[in-house]
Amino acid sequence: DAGVIQSPRHEVTEMGQEVTLRCKPISGHDYLFWYRQTMMRGLELLIYFNNNVPIDDSGMPEDRFSAKMPNASFSTLKIQPSEPRDSAVYFCASSFGRTPGANVLTFGAGSRLTVL
Amino acid sequence: AQKVTQAQTEISVVEKEDVTLDCVYETRDTTYYLFWYKQPPSGELVFLIRRNSFDEQNEISGRYSWNFQKSTSSFNFTITASQVVDSAVYFCALSALNSGNTPLVFGKGTRLSVIA
Repeated sequence: DAGVIQSPRHEVTEMGQEVTLRCKPISGHDYLFWYRQTMMRGLELLIYFNNNVPIDDSGMPEDRFSAKMPNASFSTLKIQPSEPRDSAVYFCASSFGRTPGANVLTFGAGSRLTVL
Repeated sequence: AQKVTQAQTEISVVEKEDVTLDCVYETRDTTYYLFWYKQPPSGELVFLIRRNSFDEQNEISGRYSWNFQKSTSSFNFTITASQVVDSAVYFCALSALNSGNTPLVFGKGTRLSVIA
């Protein structure tokens, strides 16, 4: 298996632009997570899905952020409009099992976003 | 609420030294899982170990060992005879299953530098 695949690996954009990050989870995994990593706040859970359905989006910072999972093999995290404080590394992870807390997460390589 | 504290922000050791990374957790749940992940300079997060709250046996895997002590709410990680390839950021994480089966909450990480 190719693992969790994220794109783009690096994105540099200007404030106000729309940013779309993409994730392909491991085939057969039924949970998908989006995390954000910054120096100040560490790794924060933004949202997670189970069988393509959003379960908890309480970590999404504000309405500028949205995430979708139209099918089992694809998810997007969109920021519109982007702001400099959104600069971070965004990780997608997937797992398999009945209890998301007990499952081992497999992470993608991350998407490093820089908003100027 | 769940919380993970990794008090050591950065540690620097000389190759072949032993090093222990501390992790203290907080939860009111009786059923929970603890994890360690490694983030090498390449950026991806790699799973190292998972422990559930009912299994306090220490674990050894090659040069790595983990000491789980419920009495002190700690799950410390020791690398014996450290090597340069061990240089990475190490994250301790917790998920508690009684209160809603929440996904992982990560500590802020400890950056380990092993100098040749």
